[in-house]
Amino acid sequence: KAGVTQTPRYLIKTRGQQVTLSCSPISGHRSVSWYQQTPGQGLQFLFEYFSETQRNKGNFPGRFSGRQFSNSRSEMNVSTLELGDSALYLCASSRQGRDRETQYFGPGTRLLVL
Amino acid sequence: QQQVKQSPQSLIVQKGGISIINCAYENTAFDYFPWYQQFPGKGPALLIAIRPDVSEKKEGRFTISFNKSAKQFSLHIMDSQPGDSATYFCAASIGAGGTSYGKLTFGQGTILTVHP
Repeated sequence: KAGVTQTPRYLIKTRGQQVTLSCSPISGHRSVSWYQQTPGQGLQFLFEYFSETQRNKGNFPGRFSGRQFSNSRSEMNVSTLELGDSALYLCASSRQGRDRETQYFGPGTRLLVL
Repeated sequence: QQQVKQSPQSLIVQKGGISIINCAYENTAFDYFPWYQQFPGKGPALLIAIRPDVSEKKEGRFTISFNKSAKQFSLHIMDSQPGDSATYFCAASIGAGGTSYGKLTFGQGTILTVHP
């Protein structure tokens, strides 16, 4: 079974631009969570989607948004990029039922904002 | 508010030694405690996880010890190998009975280096 895939793997943007990142969960997984990883703040939860609905949200400004499609694929969008948005953005998926707490992470998208 | 505190920030052990990483949590609603291992350029990978109804769980060379009253849990890596050199994260979530299990709260991470 293929793992979580994220595209693109690397991205360079300039301040003020917007960016969209994509995540394809493991087949059969319906929950997708997004995390931001930086050296200073570590791994921080952004939001979680389940059945096309945002179920949980972290403490990030409204510039960070996401959505989930009917096939469980998810996208996150960051508008008006700031230098501090440079980070590794990780997507994780989980299945329903037993072991639903187990999250499987993708390799991440490394975003550099210049 | 950092709800999961992890220590040490970095750890150096010799091959064959025992690596111990500790975490403490604040939110008593947490009921699922995983440990993740991350290599450079990769996403975190689940290593082992525990629920608070047991005090210890062992999988191969990896053991989680859990102290519910102290709100602490730790990862022990026995017979540490150079291939174990990676960053380790503890985490916590509110699992059973709720809808917050998709939200993991992570510790700050421990960089483990195992010398040959």
